[in-house]
Amino acid sequence: AQSVTQPDIHITVSEGASLELRCNYSYGATPYLFWYVQSPGQGLQLLLKYFSGDTLVQGIKGFEAEFKRSQSSFNLRKPSVHWSDAAEYFCAVEGGSYIPTFGRGTSLIVHP
Amino acid sequence: DTAVSQTPKYLVTQMGNDKSIKCEQNLGHDTMYWYKQDSKKFLKIMFSYNNKELIINETVPNRFSPKSPDKAHLNLHINSLELGDSAVYFCASSQGLADNEQFFGPGTRLTVL
Repeated sequence: AQSVTQPDIHITVSEGASLELRCNYSYGATPYLFWYVQSPGQGLQLLLKYFSGDTLVQGIKGFEAEFKRSQSSFNLRKPSVHWSDAAEYFCAVEGGSYIPTFGRGTSLIVHP
Repeated sequence: DTAVSQTPKYLVTQMGNDKSIKCEQNLGHDTMYWYKQDSKKFLKIMFSYNNKELIINETVPNRFSPKSPDKAHLNLHINSLELGDSAVYFCASSQGLADNEQFFGPGTRLTVL
C-alpha cells in the first residue's frame, strides 16, 4: 500500500527567505509524485509532478522538487518566498492503482 | 471560462435530508473524480469515473451515489445525510487515469446540522 507523510503541519517563514517542505512516501517501486497548492477557499492546483527521468523537477510559481529514491522523499523548495505563497501544500503519491494518496498537508505562513 | 465548476458552493442542511452537488468540466477530459476534505484538511478520493464508467469506489457508504450523465458532468447525490458528512467536497478532472494532472473545482462546503 502507498502512503505519504508530511511531517510539518505548519511552517512559518519570512518573506524573501528560502523554503523547503518535506514529503516522504512509502511504495514498493517508483511512484508518481505530485505537489499541489491550495489557497484559502480554493481547490487544489498542481505545482509540479515527477514520473521518471531527471530527479529535479521544475514547477510553476518558482517551485522545484527533488526526488530522492534512497530517502523516499520528494521535498518541495523555493529559493525566495513571496507573501502570496501562503497556502496549504499537499504532497501526493500514485502507485499505478489510479488512486492517489494525499498527505495531510503543510500550512505555509509567510511573515512580512 | 471556469475549467471545473461546482454548485452549490455552500450547502447547509439537516440530518436525514437528501442533497446533490453538481460538477461540470469544460476541459474535454475523460476522467472525473470526487474527493472529500475533512476538517483537518485530509483529502481522500471517493470516486473516479472514466468515460462515464465507475473506476474507483473507495469504500464510500452507499448513501453516496455518483452519477455521470456524460463525460463533462459528474454529480454527487447523498441520501440520509449524517453529521459526519460535513466536509468540503471537491470535484476534479484529468485527461486520463494515473499519471495525469488533476484539475480541481473550487469545492462545496457541506454542513449537516
